[in-house]
Amino acid sequence: SYVLTQPPSVSVAPGQTARITCGGNNIGSKSVHWYQQKPGQAPVLAVYADSDRPSGIPERFSGSNSGNTATLTISRVEAGDEADYYCQVWDSSSDHVVFGGGTKLTVL
Amino acid sequence: EVQLVQSGAEVKKPGESLKISCKGSGFSFTNYWIGWVRQMPGKGLQWMGFIYPGNSDTRYSPSFQGQVTISADTSINTAYLQWSSLEASDTAMYFCARHGGNSGRRNPYDYWGQGTLVTVSS
Repeated sequence: SYVLTQPPSVSVAPGQTARITCGGNNIGSKSVHWYQQKPGQAPVLAVYADSDRPSGIPERFSGSNSGNTATLTISRVEAGDEADYYCQVWDSSSDHVVFGGGTKLTVL
Repeated sequence: EVQLVQSGAEVKKPGESLKISCKGSGFSFTNYWIGWVRQMPGKGLQWMGFIYPGNSDTRYSPSFQGQVTISADTSINTAYLQWSSLEASDTAMYFCARHGGNSGRRNPYDYWGQGTLVTVSS
């Protein structure tokens, strides 16, 4: 089955740039989605189709996807960005949805 | 306004059965794939499966195949997740979510329910 690998944690100072990676075999050929989840809340779609933003998501959130790594980039990080972030794809070969293990973003 | 409203928290004993629900509104329920996602306490998101209510086409994660049943009732725009015999390890938050757009399962989960907390304890 297809596996997505994320670092357990990323720390960044306010105003700096956070990069959260999502590794998978030839993930560049898939459409990657990213979710933000704050404690006690349902996940919220942050970036979809590698690099598109839903309405209401700040432009500070962006994404890229190539080769074996997809990346969620959060520019000018704010305290309110502190959350867990999950990448997700649909694996066409198995017709299953796959989530990464999640990354806890800490704003120092 | 698109909404997915889930049923309330449940406390059950091991061996009991349970069916939780997810009611959609503000969109054509029969034309969107609806997924179920488990989140165990302090852990990440686990995909359980999805259903296309229009024809009840259903897929399950291998981890949950045979352990749960996903169904839908299009007359009341509601999807269900069901257990026949709960175990303590089923204690978790369960979310339903909608695959958005026109490309079905390839699309992201654009709307989520608020979650249903299931606690299984003797």
